[in-house]
Amino acid sequence: AQTVTQSQPEMSVQEAETVTLSCTYDTSESDYYLFWYKQPPSRQMILVIRQEAYKQQNATENRFSVNFQKAAKSFSLKISDSQLGDAAMYFCAYRWWTTDSWGKLQFGAGTQVVVTP
Amino acid sequence: NAGVTQTPKFRVLKTGQSMTLLCAQDMNHEYMYWYRQDPGMGLRLIHYSVGEGTTAKGEVPDGYNVSRLKKQNFLLGLESAAPSQTSVYFCASSYMTALEPIRNIQYFGAGTRLSVL
Repeated sequence: AQTVTQSQPEMSVQEAETVTLSCTYDTSESDYYLFWYKQPPSRQMILVIRQEAYKQQNATENRFSVNFQKAAKSFSLKISDSQLGDAAMYFCAYRWWTTDSWGKLQFGAGTQVVVTP
Repeated sequence: NAGVTQTPKFRVLKTGQSMTLLCAQDMNHEYMYWYRQDPGMGLRLIHYSVGEGTTAKGEVPDGYNVSRLKKQNFLLGLESAAPSQTSVYFCASSYMTALEPIRNIQYFGAGTRLSVL
């Protein structure tokens, strides 16, 4: 069974500093996709960044970047130059395509990011 | 372009009452999903649909039913609400193909907060 583990319930960071959120997953699939979603107090799920497992290059989106270690099944998110608007719950998610998965997303439990001035 | 719209946004039910949550998407997506979010547990899949007229069970389907009579709508029903169904419910949709990475994104609605007393 596919599982996603986020071992940090909460992370605190000062404005302009960098924070790294960890995520590990368990899978026997070779082709899959990984995502980080942000959920602010509004509850809206916002896609932050995605990574295709077949790509060795780490994805980057402005101040957000990932460290994808396929062999270690690790997918961490780095937020650089943190801003007050980054405060939210962050979810790591894994998506795979087989005849019985139909592109379902498996989520981790989430990490609450607190940004202090 | 509204994306994924969920109605209602909030609802309070008494134990044993029934209700239907509506999800509508205007992106012509084939796949639609219903998740529930509980504290400390991330999002868990309730039911999903891979096309009009087809539905399937997810991770936590008990106590829920779904229907997809039209491609753009996915309904989640609670026949006899229980306090254990107090949660935030999210609908999501996506394209069908796994071949194009850009299509491997699930788009979420804003959620429905349901309380069962």
